[in-house]
Amino acid sequence: ELKVEQNPLFLSMQEGKNYTIYCNYSTTSDRLYWYRQDPGKSLESLFVLLSNGAVKQEGRLMASLDTKARLSTLHITAAVHDLSATYFCAVGFMNYGGATNKLIFGTGTLLAVQP
Amino acid sequence: KAGVTQTPRYLIKTRGQQVTLSCSPISGHRSVSWYQQTPGQGLQFLFEYFSETQRNKGNFPGRFSGRQFSNSRSEMNVSTLELGDSALYLCASSLGDRYNEQFFGPGTRLTVL
Repeated sequence: ELKVEQNPLFLSMQEGKNYTIYCNYSTTSDRLYWYRQDPGKSLESLFVLLSNGAVKQEGRLMASLDTKARLSTLHITAAVHDLSATYFCAVGFMNYGGATNKLIFGTGTLLAVQP
Repeated sequence: KAGVTQTPRYLIKTRGQQVTLSCSPISGHRSVSWYQQTPGQGLQFLFEYFSETQRNKGNFPGRFSGRQFSNSRSEMNVSTLELGDSALYLCASSLGDRYNEQFFGPGTRLTVL
């Protein structure tokens, strides 16, 4: 059974600091997604990672994927208050009997950037 | 390009009633997935539809059902509502291939009293 663990669950950062959120998953997958959720809002797609060694960057956020270690990281550089949100990783479920878009989500990391 | 739309945005029901939620995917998208989000269980997959066929199903009781129409719009139905069904229900739309990006709608907030 595919399980996805995120840590930390809560992260309080000061503006200008760097930090990393980790996403581990338990079984093989060929795709991993990062989403952002603001309070009371839906999920905003940040990154889609499809291959081992994939690295994508957007602004102060950079995501990477190591499929051999079953690990993805979301690195935050020089945090600003606007990055405060909950961040989820989601791993694509491998349905060997047919195609599927099913995602298994991590528990989420609540990021609070303090001025 | 219009995003994913969900109706209604908010619902209040009582135990034992049933409810139908609607999701209109992005134009051209053929896959619609549904998720339940609660503070205790997080985001859990309900089911996925592609070209009017259920392609995968999560571990939810039979009270939860869904369907997809020929225009790719999808509905999910929950019968005999329980207090624990109170949640944010999100649908996600994608072109269909599992490598495609998935876009989420604003969600329907269901409260069961």
